[in-house]
Amino acid sequence: SQQGEEDPQALSIQEGENATMNCSYKTSINNLQWYRQNSGRGLVHLILIRSNEREKHSGRLRVTLDTSKKSSSLLITASRAADTASYFCATDRDGGGADGLTFGKGTHLIIQP
Amino acid sequence: DAGVTQSPTHLIKTRGQQVTLRCSPKSGHDTVSWYQQALGQGPQFIFQYYEEEERQRGNFPDRFSGHQFPNYSSELNVNALLLGDSALYLCASSLPGSSAIYFGEGSWLTVV
Repeated sequence: SQQGEEDPQALSIQEGENATMNCSYKTSINNLQWYRQNSGRGLVHLILIRSNEREKHSGRLRVTLDTSKKSSSLLITASRAADTASYFCATDRDGGGADGLTFGKGTHLIIQP
Repeated sequence: DAGVTQSPTHLIKTRGQQVTLRCSPKSGHDTVSWYQQALGQGPQFIFQYYEEEERQRGNFPDRFSGHQFPNYSSELNVNALLLGDSALYLCASSLPGSSAIYFGEGSWLTVV
């Protein structure tokens, strides 16, 4: 089953603008990760935020985590055409369990040149 | 340093047939996980192998089975293929207990 739900499902913005995607999840987690997937290809790990962290930065990426609301956001600043891809959040459940990483359905981001 | 490699990249099978997909983990990684990603969906966890044994399993039927070899490479086998098995199958490798997970480019399976 899908634990995470990304919002919006699709997002189209102009190059240079900022893009914000949100993720909600259902159970307690050890960490939350964001991945990028170019059309029909493998997943590329972007950033990991642990359950005791509230914000993390990596280059043009900023991730926040609110464990009380069971939600996370991914901000991509100064977007580029190459950022066009699908973005997924994935959770690693607290206490482990038999589910591996649990992914949402993704946000499809289109950067208009 | 080679990343996670998968083969074949694309294949077409007929309903009822069997398929084997292969994965070589990133150098130094001994844990391999398999995921199924249907079109327009996020990846779903199938199972994980460590020390040649299935350590975790998601909600997939017994038609899905796997194997890990002493060199840590892995195979995913699917028997009695159904149309609904058409998907991108992703392999991921990691070190035990590590949150750093690396994915391969996947194998596209089409069942007709």
